[in-house]
Amino acid sequence: QVQLVQSGAEVKKPGASVKVSCKASGYTFSNFGFSWVRQAPGQGLEWMGWISTYNGRTNYARKLQGRVTLTTDTSTGTAYMELRRLTSDDTAVYYCARPKGLLEEDAFDIWGQGTMVSVSS
Amino acid sequence: DIQMTQSPSTLSASVGDRVTITCRASQSISSWLAWYQQKPGKAPKLLIYKASSLESGVPSRFSGSGSGTEFTLTISSLQPDDFATYYCQQYSSYSITFGQGTRLEIK
Repeated sequence: QVQLVQSGAEVKKPGASVKVSCKASGYTFSNFGFSWVRQAPGQGLEWMGWISTYNGRTNYARKLQGRVTLTTDTSTGTAYMELRRLTSDDTAVYYCARPKGLLEEDAFDIWGQGTMVSVSS
Repeated sequence: DIQMTQSPSTLSASVGDRVTITCRASQSISSWLAWYQQKPGKAPKLLIYKASSLESGVPSRFSGSGSGTEFTLTISSLQPDDFATYYCQQYSSYSITFGQGTRLEIK
């Protein structure tokens, strides 16, 4: 079945970087892009950006520009989200999500299980 | 960025009730709106896309309507499994945004 499986929980110090992976299965990887969405404890959903698996084009949320990088590896069917210069405000569950259609700006019908990233000194 | 405002923030209701959640966009988004249900510790689940299209496998008691700047999610007869948090999401613009969420709790 179609699924996205994310890497495990991370604990990082302020100023460090984190890289979360999202492995896709059950569909043709290059047919759909990826978005990343995060959720701080007890808070709502925040879109971080998307990446096209077709041409590698990216679009990042203004708030995170310069700190986030999205990449994909077509050979392994895996998407990655790297976030740099972490602060306590980056403590959140990070989700990868697949758009329902061929456009990156779309509803998300498939979600990863989430990866908790904790930032603490 | 387009701002999405949901109301109410919290809604108390009973099994069998008909409930409506509203989502307003700060500018027109045509019908590029989705609704999600999220339960604690779980990823969001897509319920409605393109404002009124029911996602496959979602019970027909869920329905969506609206266009432009005002949208609603209606649950026609609440079931115990429906108590959760609901989010709207616009995907009209280059920058996707979510509403702040509506928590649906048991009265």
